[in-house]
Amino acid sequence: DIQMTQSPSSLSASVGDRVTITCRASQGISNYLAWIQQKPGKAPKSLIYAASSLQSGVPSRFSGSGSGTYFTLTISYLQPEDFATYYCQQYNTYPITFGQGTRLEIK
Amino acid sequence: EVDLLESGGGLVQRGGSLRLSCAASGFTFSRYAMTWVRQAPGKGLEWVSSISGSGDTTYYADSVEGRFTISRDNSRNTLYLQMSDLRAEDTAEYYCAKATDTSGHNEFDYWGQGTPVTVPS
Repeated sequence: DIQMTQSPSSLSASVGDRVTITCRASQGISNYLAWIQQKPGKAPKSLIYAASSLQSGVPSRFSGSGSGTYFTLTISYLQPEDFATYYCQQYNTYPITFGQGTRLEIK
Repeated sequence: EVDLLESGGGLVQRGGSLRLSCAASGFTFSRYAMTWVRQAPGKGLEWVSSISGSGDTTYYADSVEGRFTISRDNSRNTLYLQMSDLRAEDTAEYYCAKATDTSGHNEFDYWGQGTPVTVPS
């Protein structure tokens, strides 16, 4: 199975900050990498697919990059509604696997 | 507008069975693979099972292989997860998710709101 490792596990930031979350795959997954946002008590929401493409309706302050084994999610100007948990997910190979999550909290 | 509505969750004893449903609307259901993902209380997301658009290809996590069966009825636009021999570690919120293609490498673009399954220890 492909292991996905996110860092940091938690992050405190302020409105207006720029933050970056990293995700490493235990083996190459090309660009078959998605980023998912989940707010407490809510269903997950897909943000980014193919490592860098935004899902419809996702604000442009979200961006993704990477290929192979190293990926990043950047939020360029944090808004109050961005405080949530973020997961990376590989869909290159079954079983599909997720990172452990990064909890983004308000400082 | 795409909508995915899960149902069928509940409290079930260890060793029992349960069938989850995911009613889909707003898209041509048979054209897209579908997936079940679960989340244990306070934990992260865990992929459970996927099925191709036609229903002829299925995949399972090792943790549920042989106990869970994914299926779909394209005439009813509904995805199912038949769960048997349930264990305490199956306790979770279960989400269905729509893929962006019928099979192969594809990401999820829409998620349902989830249905809870509780198996007391």
